[in-house]
Amino acid sequence: SQTIHQWPATLVQPVGSPLSLECTVEGTSNPNLYWYRQAAGRGLQLLFYSVGIGQISSEVPQNLSASRPQDRQFILSSKKLLLSDSGFYLCAWLNSGNTIYFGEGSWLTVV
Amino acid sequence: AQSVTQPDIHITVSEGASLELRCNYSYGATPYLFWYVQSPGQGLQLLLKYFSGDTLVQGIKGFEAEFKRSQSSFNLRKPSVHWSDAAEYFCAVGGPTMGGSYIPTFGRGTSLIVHP
Repeated sequence: SQTIHQWPATLVQPVGSPLSLECTVEGTSNPNLYWYRQAAGRGLQLLFYSVGIGQISSEVPQNLSASRPQDRQFILSSKKLLLSDSGFYLCAWLNSGNTIYFGEGSWLTVV
Repeated sequence: AQSVTQPDIHITVSEGASLELRCNYSYGATPYLFWYVQSPGQGLQLLLKYFSGDTLVQGIKGFEAEFKRSQSSFNLRKPSVHWSDAAEYFCAVGGPTMGGSYIPTFGRGTSLIVHP
């Protein structure tokens, strides 16, 4: 069966520090992958999606970037975090049945 | 462009009472429709989905939803709410797009509060 994992689950980072959140999917190949952000009390904001290795589409211009170095790996990064980058980050993948499944999420607090 | 509206930000019900969460969508063709549930600090879990066929779909945890094309709605229902159902609920619409991209649109969510 397919599973999705993301880590770390929680992190506290100072302003100006770098960020790396990692997401991997198991049990499938060439999935569409997504990064969403969920600010406190708000809905889901799509940040990036990828349809294949090295292919990244950005939905919102911001301080973040994404990369897909391997078929089932999706990384969210920042060179210098801002306070406004705090939030709950969710990785997701699209299965062959046009259904999106989410990872467990990563809480980021920028201090 | 596709869109989803969840008109209720918060819903409060008593345990054992029935529940209906509203969802209205805008989509140019027959939509793919979804309901997800999110417990605090967790990812989103799929409750149910509708692609075609019977307009009343059954999901996990005793939830069901009904697709009404004429009203552009996909409301989520449960006949008897349990305290453990307290969570955030998201409606989403999606569908095949040209160019290989598939980007579902999510509503802003409805927070369900359950009173004992």
